[in-house]
Amino acid sequence: ETGVTQSPTHLIKTRGQQVTLRCSSQSGHNTVSWYQQALGQGPQFIFQYYREEENGRGNFPPRFSGLQFPNYSSELNVNALELDDSALYLCASSLGGSGLEAFFGQGTRLTVV
Amino acid sequence: SQQGEEDPQALSIQEGENATMNCSYKTSINNLQWYRQNSGRGLVHLILIRSNEREKHSGRLRVTLDTSKKSSSLLITASRAADTASYFCATAPPSGSEKLVFGKGTKLTVNP
Repeated sequence: ETGVTQSPTHLIKTRGQQVTLRCSSQSGHNTVSWYQQALGQGPQFIFQYYREEENGRGNFPPRFSGLQFPNYSSELNVNALELDDSALYLCASSLGGSGLEAFFGQGTRLTVV
Repeated sequence: SQQGEEDPQALSIQEGENATMNCSYKTSINNLQWYRQNSGRGLVHLILIRSNEREKHSGRLRVTLDTSKKSSSLLITASRAADTASYFCATAPPSGSEKLVFGKGTKLTVNP
């Protein structure tokens, strides 16, 4: 167990809807990163939050947005869902800039129909 | 886009054999990490090797890093059926941040 929890574990949404995924980081970690993993692919970096500020973004459109709260937990929001958004969404908790490993949650499996 | 490329894409071996997976990457790194993933669940961190290290061991795992060739290998010795999983390499940029770039992974099957 990494101490990183994600909710919900599974979710089914309809195209055009909006979704919010949640992540609780490991105690003592101030950085949360979000990744999207399509079936059969490696995870792709969406964005990172460090001390409540966005700290880097991957090649994802603005309808992917996020928040980090004072307790360093985080949300990933996706608006106007598309079928291609169906994927496993992973969050990773780390101590920002330490060059140490990131600890991943179990992921949220999002299906868009 | 993904920086790392694992090789092979799939590997099937018998229990007790050694499994070797390779990873190549394109840009400078601070460190390279290997992760395991069981059946589409979360990623489990296995080992981290820094850019100034050449080899690292952890239990039955041995990782090498060749920064001149931009490549790394993961060796699992005396494999077990429980090692069946997908294995990913991930590189961290020179800044040391945790914005990891993953490869597509190697799917390892260990047959009992």
